[in-house]
Amino acid sequence: QKEVEQNSGPLSVPEGAIASLNCTYSDRGSQSFFWYRQYSGKSPELIMSIYSNGDKEDGRFTAQLNKASQYVSLLIRDSQPSDSATYLCAVHRGSGGYNKLIFGAGTRLAVHP
Amino acid sequence: GAGVSQSPSNKVTEKGKDVELRCDPISGHTALYWYRQSLGQGLEFLIYFQGNSAPDKSGLPSDRFSAERTGGSVSTLTIQRTQQEDSAVYLCASSQTRGQPQHFGDGTRLSIL
Repeated sequence: QKEVEQNSGPLSVPEGAIASLNCTYSDRGSQSFFWYRQYSGKSPELIMSIYSNGDKEDGRFTAQLNKASQYVSLLIRDSQPSDSATYLCAVHRGSGGYNKLIFGAGTRLAVHP
Repeated sequence: GAGVSQSPSNKVTEKGKDVELRCDPISGHTALYWYRQSLGQGLEFLIYFQGNSAPDKSGLPSDRFSAERTGGSVSTLTIQRTQQEDSAVYLCASSQTRGQPQHFGDGTRLSIL
């Protein structure tokens, strides 16, 4: 079992729709969770961080965390073609493991006009 | 500069040669990380620096790989006797301190002929 799992996609949504990206993690002691966006040929760009259970909203993005279910998600409202990219879920391990991010393989999102 | 700076952006070299990759983190960031992303693969952690020391080198794939950081700032990743499997994008990230969100540079695309 991979430490951080994501559906590879592609996830195809029409412009203006809500895109829902999901991620599960195996280390129950994980404390910090991040979503990165990576355009083809570019480096990852941080878009959201979340540390406690519940929802966190930033513009069109909402991150949701459920530690009991070891599940974190990213919702993109009013999806735009410019949102088409690979979205990487990243997790900081629990105590003693704050040295690195463990990345999922990423979900490719395609927003079509 | 405002972001993480990496050089060179591209490096092509012959198998067996040594290469040196440079990372200049965001000013004031004490934590620095090196990752590797191979074609179609996820991000793979290599090494973590806190200040000038490297408490976590667990991701370095072999003793051909080494890294140092001086003055709590610039870091250099050195690969000796390069092999074709070393071909990848090498990404550097920094954060204010460990556990904080990491911000990535544009990466160095390394190609071994």
